[in-house]
Amino acid sequence: DGGITQSPKYLFRKEGQNVTLSCEQNLNHDAMYWYRQDPGQGLRLIYYSQIVNDFQKGDIAEGYSVSREKKESFPLTVTSAQKNPTAFYLCASSPGTGNEQYFGPGTRLTVT
Amino acid sequence: AQSVAQPEDQVNVAEGNPLTVKCTYSVSGNPYLFWYVQYPNRGLQFLLKYITGDNLVKGSYGFEAEFNKSQTSFHLKKPSALVSDSALYFCAVSSMFSGGYNKLIFGAGTRLAVHP
Repeated sequence: DGGITQSPKYLFRKEGQNVTLSCEQNLNHDAMYWYRQDPGQGLRLIYYSQIVNDFQKGDIAEGYSVSREKKESFPLTVTSAQKNPTAFYLCASSPGTGNEQYFGPGTRLTVT
Repeated sequence: AQSVAQPEDQVNVAEGNPLTVKCTYSVSGNPYLFWYVQYPNRGLQFLLKYITGDNLVKGSYGFEAEFNKSQTSFHLKKPSALVSDSALYFCAVSSMFSGGYNKLIFGAGTRLAVHP
């Protein structure tokens, strides 16, 4: 997990509230990613960014938003439009094309 | 469709025995292949990757994997399992035609249980 921090580790919210998950990296990586992990489904890509001020939707972007104003930071907002937000969220970064991704420790979000 | 299959939800092996965790893929173009390991409530840790070259790649903690192009497989292996190897293992692939080499497609994961 070294070099990538996610906070908080656990997050609880009421239904209908937006919530922002933090992801910071000090690895000087250009690319950053957000994944959602649900039991038995592996990881699904929400958004990714290959450079500052640019990002692309992944496979399950609906109900989520991101920003990439700084190289080190890639926060994810889970909006009230996301129908099933309770999940384990993982942030990752990579130095570039074809390289492995480095993952943060994750944030477990519970919405009731 | 581009995909990764890990056909076994769980693999059980006795400590000291060899282990294999299976992975097959379906992508267009030349694949980049990766194995990651996840311990409970933690992020994923990179184990090894195949980009090009020798089909047998060696990685962290004594793991290795063999790329088989004809069978579109990339099975993870270790000669002698340890109880501490018990974890969730993910295979992942990227290719130029599956959204680019930056975009990984993950399998559903295989839980490895090593018994003393």
